[in-house]
Amino acid sequence: QSALTQPRSVSGSPGQSVTISCTGTSGDIGAYNYVSWYQQHPGKAPKLMIYDVSKRPSGVPDRFSGSKSGNAASLTISGLQAEDEADYYCCSYAGSLVVFGGGTKLTVL
Amino acid sequence: QVQLQESGPGLVKPSETLSLTCTVSGGSINSYYWSWIRQPPGKGLEWIGYMYYSGSTNYNPSLKSRVTISVGTSKNQFSLKLTSVTAADTAVYYCARVYAILRFDPWGQGTLVTVSS
Repeated sequence: QSALTQPRSVSGSPGQSVTISCTGTSGDIGAYNYVSWYQQHPGKAPKLMIYDVSKRPSGVPDRFSGSKSGNAASLTISGLQAEDEADYYCCSYAGSLVVFGGGTKLTVL
Repeated sequence: QVQLQESGPGLVKPSETLSLTCTVSGGSINSYYWSWIRQPPGKGLEWIGYMYYSGSTNYNPSLKSRVTISVGTSKNQFSLKLTSVTAADTAVYYCARVYAILRFDPWGQGTLVTVSS
């Protein structure tokens, strides 16, 4: 069970859009429509942003969207705001097990 | 709304057992899965395992031989035990409710456990 692969960092200017990729295998992302994304600000607990690939919990802005194709998932943040600067983690179900990505640091320029 | 709070020793000696408790307030542990996740300093999240309120469990294969997650001794608590700890087990440990299949929500605030003599 290997960690999902995410870019170490991405960046964008306020108002722009950024996409964070998350690559897995046919045993996790490719096999199930159970991918979730978490936002973590420094010193804080992670916060659920996306679940079931593309669903948003109540209270999460619609600027956040998720998708999946094959063995990879993506989180897109449109209309970047300063408060979006954080670490983002993807997570996939892997048949009774769970695997996280290594995390991506989003910098808002 | 449901809130979670981790508690336990912040310092554990190498080779000893790490024991943490998660207290759930504002709701019941019945009918949900509950999980432990950890984060070494400056690193990413690692899933440790989860349990159903009835007691069934699933663990990360890399930790399975050392981990036990179980219902706590008090109502609305569940616990984590990790045996034979080393410095590599130093991390912030989070508890979280697992809603549906893969919705870790909410999370506790986390507790730092340092393994050192």
